[in-house]
Amino acid sequence: DGGITQSPKYLFRKEGQNVTLSCEQNLNHDAMYWYRQDPGQGLRLIYYSQIVNDFQKGDIAEGYSVSREKKESFPLTVTSAQKNPTAFYLCASTRQAGSDQPQHFGDGTRLSIL
Amino acid sequence: QKEVEQDPGPLSVPEGAIVSLNCTYSNSAFQYFMWYRQYSRKGPELLMYTYSSGNKEDGRFTAQVDKSSKYISLFIRDSQPSDSATYLCAMSTSGNTGKLIFGQGTTLQVKP
Repeated sequence: DGGITQSPKYLFRKEGQNVTLSCEQNLNHDAMYWYRQDPGQGLRLIYYSQIVNDFQKGDIAEGYSVSREKKESFPLTVTSAQKNPTAFYLCASTRQAGSDQPQHFGDGTRLSIL
Repeated sequence: QKEVEQDPGPLSVPEGAIVSLNCTYSNSAFQYFMWYRQYSRKGPELLMYTYSSGNKEDGRFTAQVDKSSKYISLFIRDSQPSDSATYLCAMSTSGNTGKLIFGQGTTLQVKP
């Protein structure tokens, strides 16, 4: 079945540690997105990529980094510079970037601090 | 002031009730409007997708957009316990980045 796979489902980070969240899609979508979800705040955009080898900062990019070396993969690294990383992280994709394309989501990774 | 406002609830209704969920927004440039359903510990699932003003119906779900009032609604008829979830509204402009702006989400509980 086609879809978006995020792994792991749960992740724990120690102080000063970088962690990487995986997002893979087999939908042949060009555009991919990373969101952070906190209780009572909805989803906020971290980074997005419209095409391979290109990505743009979203509204809350500080403390995060991404890469887009392959069309199907868009990993997110939460660096030690992100002082409040505890949240639910969601990856989404669309066939191509553009407002007439609804975004489809994976089932998220929950990141917590040890 | 947030660009998109949504009452977080929780909203509790008996099974079979008609549910009305709403969002207001401030940016008149929004053209595309979506409703997502999110179950606990899962990703959002697209329910309804509309462009500009008007109504759209899909089974028990009806989405309404009133651009003059900057107000969108999702109606659920004959609500079921399986409808218990968080409902997120989202919207975007007609640019080519596909950036979505989300409401906070409304938690709905349908009691048997």
